[in-house]
Amino acid sequence: EVQLVESGGGLVQPGGSLRLSCAASGFTFSNYEMNWVRQAPGKGLEWISYISSSGKTIYYADSVKGRFTISRDNAKNSLYLQMNSLRAEDTSIYYCARKSTGTTWFDPWGQGTLVTVSS
Amino acid sequence: QSVLTQPPSVSGAPGQRVTISCTGSSSNIGAGYDVHWYQQLPGTAPKLLIYGNSNRPSGVPDRFSGSKSGTSASLAITGLQAEDEADYYCQSYDISLSAWVFGGGTKLTVL
Repeated sequence: EVQLVESGGGLVQPGGSLRLSCAASGFTFSNYEMNWVRQAPGKGLEWISYISSSGKTIYYADSVKGRFTISRDNAKNSLYLQMNSLRAEDTSIYYCARKSTGTTWFDPWGQGTLVTVSS
Repeated sequence: QSVLTQPPSVSGAPGQRVTISCTGSSSNIGAGYDVHWYQQLPGTAPKLLIYGNSNRPSGVPDRFSGSKSGTSASLAITGLQAEDEADYYCQSYDISLSAWVFGGGTKLTVL
């Protein structure tokens, strides 16, 4: 069964840092592109970052550029999101989502991990 | 303000048909990028419902269908069931933003 499991969320103060992880199983992780998508409480979905299967190509949404860093370890079947200089508006559920090369949709998604930025 | 525009809510009685619109622009849907739809049941992660404008992943009932024309797309749900009550999101790619973009979401209420 294809599965994505996020972890690392929690409560952090404004200006703080947090590192999210996404553990993949049930498929050949190194063959797939990966993304982070977030959802603020009661709000819609926002794509925030993409990484190619090799890790060589990376994109960010303007809202997180310069503060967040996406990375992956194909040997460990894991995706990461290092979040620095966190702001209250970064409070969201963070989902990792798989994407196949040559497609533009996300499938499947993990269950999400909640990040709360508050003093 | 989302790049793709959806109605905030739609409703219908069991057995009825509802449609959810998704309006974009010449830099996303109108540029030829496919539209995809996700269903998010309360308290759960989004799930792919329609990909490539009109294709259903394995396991998605044929009550769900998608279409695209010009700068817009639509999701149709026929034979409404109580279990269809959820939030629905459209998604595409925007060449001007160099970003994957979502609609603001539509809450479907089954009366």
